[in-house]
Amino acid sequence: EVQLVQSGAEVKKPGESLKISCKASGYSFTSYWIGWVRQMPGKGLEWMGMIYPGDSDSKYSPSLQGQVTISADKSISTAYLQWSSLKASDTAMYYCARRDYYAISDYFMAAFDFWGQGTMVSVSS
Amino acid sequence: IVMTQTPLSSPVTLGQPASISCRSSQSLVHGDGNTYLSWLQQRPGQPPRLLIYKISNRFSGVPDRFSGSGAGTDFTLKISRVEAEDVGVYYCMQATQFPHTFGQGTKLEIK
Repeated sequence: EVQLVQSGAEVKKPGESLKISCKASGYSFTSYWIGWVRQMPGKGLEWMGMIYPGDSDSKYSPSLQGQVTISADKSISTAYLQWSSLKASDTAMYYCARRDYYAISDYFMAAFDFWGQGTMVSVSS
Repeated sequence: IVMTQTPLSSPVTLGQPASISCRSSQSLVHGDGNTYLSWLQQRPGQPPRLLIYKISNRFSGVPDRFSGSGAGTDFTLKISRVEAEDVGVYYCMQATQFPHTFGQGTKLEIK
């Protein structure tokens, strides 16, 4: 059974650093992209970026490039999203999700098929 | 690529059909000829759930009352007969290009 289990809720102050995690199980971690999606309170979904653990290739939203870092540890099937200096505007629910790797195949979906339960990050002084 | 959904809110009577539109600012046809447009459902308090991929393919376990159609820049999600469990927000998402982008969401509610 495919599962993405995210780390727990965080309460932080502006300027602090943070790293949240997404542990994958039930499939080959290095064969799928892991994406991160932000959802600010009461708002819609925002694609932040993705990493392919197989070769650590990563893609970022231009609006968030430099604001966050996406990484992965193949040895423990875990992806990470980290901030070096949080802002109040980073307050949001963050989801990780799995996307298949490009292939010329009818089975290739290019869609986020499994999602983590979400990690709420609250940043306030 | 900017994804624009209409309507933003859709009150529907139980048992009646519902339709949500999604328009992209440029064609979503990939160089390989496929169109990577998906639809997701987010029920209140839940993470999103994949419903449809590549315009019209239902994901595993998705009821057949959900269907997708469209081509190029215009896409539609239809629910043939709305049930109470369908309440939530629906998003389209394009994965033809990086960065992937979501529509702003359409809230489906029961009248």
